Amino acid sequence: KAGVTQTPRYLIKTRGQQVTLSCSPISGHRSVSWYQQTPGQGLQFLFEYFSETQRNKGNFPGRFSGRQFSNSRSEMNVSTLELGDSALYLCASSSHFSDEQYFGPGTRLTVT
Amino acid sequence: AQSVTQLDSHVSVSEGTPVLLRCNYSSSYSPSLFWYVQHPNKGLQLLLKYTSAATLVKGINGFEAEFKKSETSFHLTKPSAHMSDAAEYFCVVRANYGGATNKLIFGTGTLLAVQP
Repeated sequence: KAGVTQTPRYLIKTRGQQVTLSCSPISGHRSVSWYQQTPGQGLQFLFEYFSETQRNKGNFPGRFSGRQFSNSRSEMNVSTLELGDSALYLCASSSHFSDEQYFGPGTRLTVT
Repeated sequence: AQSVTQLDSHVSVSEGTPVLLRCNYSSSYSPSLFWYVQHPNKGLQLLLKYTSAATLVKGINGFEAEFKKSETSFHLTKPSAHMSDAAEYFCVVRANYGGATNKLIFGTGTLLAVQP
């Protein structure tokens, strides 16, 4: 079975731009979660989707948004980028029958 | 609210010696606890999980962890370190709001160095 894939792997943007990151979960997994990892704040939960519905949201500003499609693929969008948004963005998927979450390799976003 | 505290930010061991990475948890419910490992420039890999079936949990690559409710601890151990174990390790608890969620709450991580 293929693992969780994230595209792109690396991204460089300038302040004020917007960015869209993509996550394809493991086949059959309907739950997708997103996390931001930075040296200062560690790993923080962004949001969680299950069957196209946002089930939970972390404490991030409204510039951070996401969605999930009917094939369980998910995207997250960050508008009006700030320098502090530079981070590794990780996506995780899990099946409905397990609490084990499987992470993708991440997208490294650099904002200049 | 659930939380985890990793007691050491850095641990250094010699190859072939035991590994102990310490984690304390806080939870008003019976927690779901995990250990994840992250190698440089890689995603997170699940090492093991505790979900109340057994207090001693065996994971991949020879790691195990023991859930001790009286001490609110979930320490990670390995009898003999290998060079390939050098990585960052995260103790994690699943959030419990009384509803369905897969939200994970991460500790601050322990960087394990293995000396030859």
